[in-house]
Amino acid sequence: RKEVEQDPGPFNVPEGATVAFNCTYSNSASQSFFWYRQDCRKEPKLLMSVYSSGNEDGRFTAQLNRASQYISLLIRDSKLSDSATYLCVVNIFNNNNDMRFGAGTRLTVKP
Amino acid sequence: NAGVTQTPKFRILKIGQSMTLQCTQDMNHNYMYWYRQDPGMGLKLIYYSVGAGITDKGEVPNGYNVSRSTTEDFPLRLELAAPSQTSVYFCASSYPTVGTDTQYFGPGTRLTVL
Repeated sequence: RKEVEQDPGPFNVPEGATVAFNCTYSNSASQSFFWYRQDCRKEPKLLMSVYSSGNEDGRFTAQLNRASQYISLLIRDSKLSDSATYLCVVNIFNNNNDMRFGAGTRLTVKP
Repeated sequence: NAGVTQTPKFRILKIGQSMTLQCTQDMNHNYMYWYRQDPGMGLKLIYYSVGAGITDKGEVPNGYNVSRSTTEDFPLRLELAAPSQTSVYFCASSYPTVGTDTQYFGPGTRLTVL
């Protein structure tokens, strides 16, 4: 089983749609969780951290379910500019050298 | 601030050649990392450094070497290039405090080994 698994997509949605991505992780000792965004042929950039209580940043909501070992990202009112690959990242020991990246889920938002 | 810069942007190597990928950051971050990203795969950690003079292996260190003589620079060396090293290489840096997890990535180096 992969350490971090994501549905690769692609997800093709119209503007204004709500879309949700899930990510599962294998190591129950994992300490912290993130969503990064990666545009085509660009570097990853932090989108948001994921907290146990769930957190929201504008149109983006991230949630963590430790019991089931999954993380989710919800994007509401999708914009064309949301088109990108979304990487799920898990930090196993709360140590910067143990970040494990999922392969990413590709999202295309169409007019 | 330029952030994290990498050179070159692209490179084609022949099997057996060697090269150094350069990485520099101007944010005074203690932690620096080298990752590789193969098509359709997640990033894999090659080497990391927690400060000048200190380096350690990540998940996939074979075929690579690093050094960290200054806080700013973290070059990655490929000694005998192999086709399996064809990939996109990202350098990253982060704040020194353990648990502060934001990593800042450079634009990447696309390497092809033929």
